[in-house]
Amino acid sequence: AQSVAQPEDQVNVAEGNPLTVKCTYSVSGNPYLFWYVQYPNRGLQFLLKYITGDNLVKGSYGFEAEFNKSQTSFHLKKPSALVSDSALYFCAVRYRGRRALTFGSGTRLQVQP
Amino acid sequence: SQTIHQWPATLVQPVGSPLSLECTVEGTSNPNLYWYRQAAGRGLQLLFYSVGIGQISSEVPQNLSASRPQDRQFILSSKKLLLSDSGFYLCAWSLGEGWTEAFFGQGTRLTVV
Repeated sequence: AQSVAQPEDQVNVAEGNPLTVKCTYSVSGNPYLFWYVQYPNRGLQFLLKYITGDNLVKGSYGFEAEFNKSQTSFHLKKPSALVSDSALYFCAVRYRGRRALTFGSGTRLQVQP
Repeated sequence: SQTIHQWPATLVQPVGSPLSLECTVEGTSNPNLYWYRQAAGRGLQLLFYSVGIGQISSEVPQNLSASRPQDRQFILSSKKLLLSDSGFYLCAWSLGEGWTEAFFGQGTRLTVV
């Protein structure tokens, strides 16, 4: 089955420290991978995507993600976390033959001041 | 620029009552349209998607239906709501061709009582 997994329900990090939110995928061929953020009672906001090319993708609000084909991972990173980064983060994959995104279960990021 | 509107933002409905949630997109033509449901503030489940007027694909059997009467209008309906229909409903759109990200509306919080 083609899917995406976020192994951590919650990630806690102190403000100013680097953060990583993990995502692994299970899909044949070349996947198209995405990260979204959701604030309470709001829709999802697009952060970044990997389609092809450079494995390090830069996105909105200082976030970046690294595509690692050998480890089938697409972890979200930020060098210095802000309290305002606290939110729910979703990894998603789009694979051939489907027009819709398949989402992971989400990871809640809590940045402590 | 493209925008997506989804309403109402919140809705409380009694069991057995009908439902109609509306989503419209502006600034693009022939988008792909999607309805997702998010339960308990976590993972997103794809309910329906549409690649054109009158073309609806259903992902899971359920008490809901969708319609696309116009190119940029997507409606989620039910004839009789169940308690289990409670959740956060998200409409999204993406470009019709090519591998692109999806853009989400602000969501509707539905509580069936």
